[in-house]
Amino acid sequence: DTGVSQDPRHKITKRGQNVTFRCDPISEHNRLYWYRQTLGQGPEFLTYFQNEAQLEKSRLLSDRFSAERPKGSFSTLEIQRTEQGDSAMYLCASRDDSGNTIYFGEGSWLTVV
Amino acid sequence: AQSVTQLGSHVSVSEGALVLLRCNYSSSVPPYLFWYVQYPNQGLQLLLKYTSAATLVKGINGFEAEFKKSETSFHLTKPSAHMSDAAEYFCAVRVDTGRRALTFGSGTRLQVQP
Repeated sequence: DTGVSQDPRHKITKRGQNVTFRCDPISEHNRLYWYRQTLGQGPEFLTYFQNEAQLEKSRLLSDRFSAERPKGSFSTLEIQRTEQGDSAMYLCASRDDSGNTIYFGEGSWLTVV
Repeated sequence: AQSVTQLGSHVSVSEGALVLLRCNYSSSVPPYLFWYVQYPNQGLQLLLKYTSAATLVKGINGFEAEFKKSETSFHLTKPSAHMSDAAEYFCAVRVDTGRRALTFGSGTRLQVQP
């Protein structure tokens, strides 16, 4: 069990470009979450998967954001036409069906210049 | 809907002093409560959690928290601060319905002075 893994850890991109982040949850964790954290704030919920099904999306997740979890394993979060306001840390987390604890990855920092 | 309020965005203590980080929650149903710690440029690490068992919860690194329903509080304490405790601390609440996602407070940055 290597924990929740996220890649890349840091990404600098120009405004208007697309970026994609990958998350590998703890093996056998079928619940997966994406959060966004801006400087000086707590993480904010973005979206939630149970296996491959995306069951909930926050209003924070604009049309430029899309998340997938094919085959119920790893997940990707894509941001299209990035804006400076997208600069944040994107955190992935996972838990199993019976677990009360959500385990977080190290996060992926996005800087849009 | 559930929410948490962390009183004090910055707390500074001397090494060896008591650490007290405050968290109040709002929830219409019995909540689960969590404290996470975040070191610079890292993700969140679970310190401790309350899941309706014992009201006094002990966590890692000498931290503990007490669930007080009457005060809707879940304050985090540590008897003696170490320099290594300097970090950002987040209180979070979750209700046992649906997606079970966490709702976080805005965080408290703990500074430990030598």
